[in-house]
Amino acid sequence: GDSVTQMEGPVTLSEEAFLTINCTYTATGYPSLFWYVQYPGEGLQLLLKATKADDKGSNKGFEATYRKETTSFHLEKGSVQVSDSAVYFCALHPNYGQNFVFGPGTRLSVLP
Amino acid sequence: GAGVSQTPSNKVTEKGKYVELRCDPISGHTALYWYRQSLGQGPEFLIYFQGTGAADDSGLPNDRFFAVRPEGSVSTLKIQRTERGDSAVYLCASSLRAGQETQYFGPGTRLLVL
Repeated sequence: GDSVTQMEGPVTLSEEAFLTINCTYTATGYPSLFWYVQYPGEGLQLLLKATKADDKGSNKGFEATYRKETTSFHLEKGSVQVSDSAVYFCALHPNYGQNFVFGPGTRLSVLP
Repeated sequence: GAGVSQTPSNKVTEKGKYVELRCDPISGHTALYWYRQSLGQGPEFLIYFQGTGAADDSGLPNDRFFAVRPEGSVSTLKIQRTERGDSAVYLCASSLRAGQETQYFGPGTRLLVL
């Protein structure tokens, strides 16, 4: 079945450091890919998405490119802030189904 | 506008009891989804509704779990004879329609079965 794998956390960075959170997926067909973020005490929020190969999703300084050849959707940000501290979930939406498949989440802590 | 709301935010119950968790989706969203998130894990799909009907309930773990959406808006997730392993955060999401649409999540209900 479809699945999503993320790098294990927690990831701890200093403010203004470069961030990469790896995500790879296994799916039949051509899923849409998403990154969701969960800030402390809040619900899941959509961060960015990409619906087809080579698309780049971006939001709030975060970027991720849909790489079909490597089945990856790595999340990057050039300069993280303390306010980026949260749990980040990579997810896919199969093109044949209606529900999301989520990765286990990666906790990011940014220190001042 | 209002987002997805869920009540209660926290529920503590005893093993063997019955619980109901409520979800109020974004107005006008026809698709509604339930997920379960265990500690340290990503959300796992339980069931989704398109309108009033359960279009896919393949994620429900067993027949103690049941969900309804009688008028195509508010949904209730019902758990009978609760077990300690049911302890988790139950998330509800809605989208304008089913398919590869962005899903908007509620804050979740944290269920603890003692």
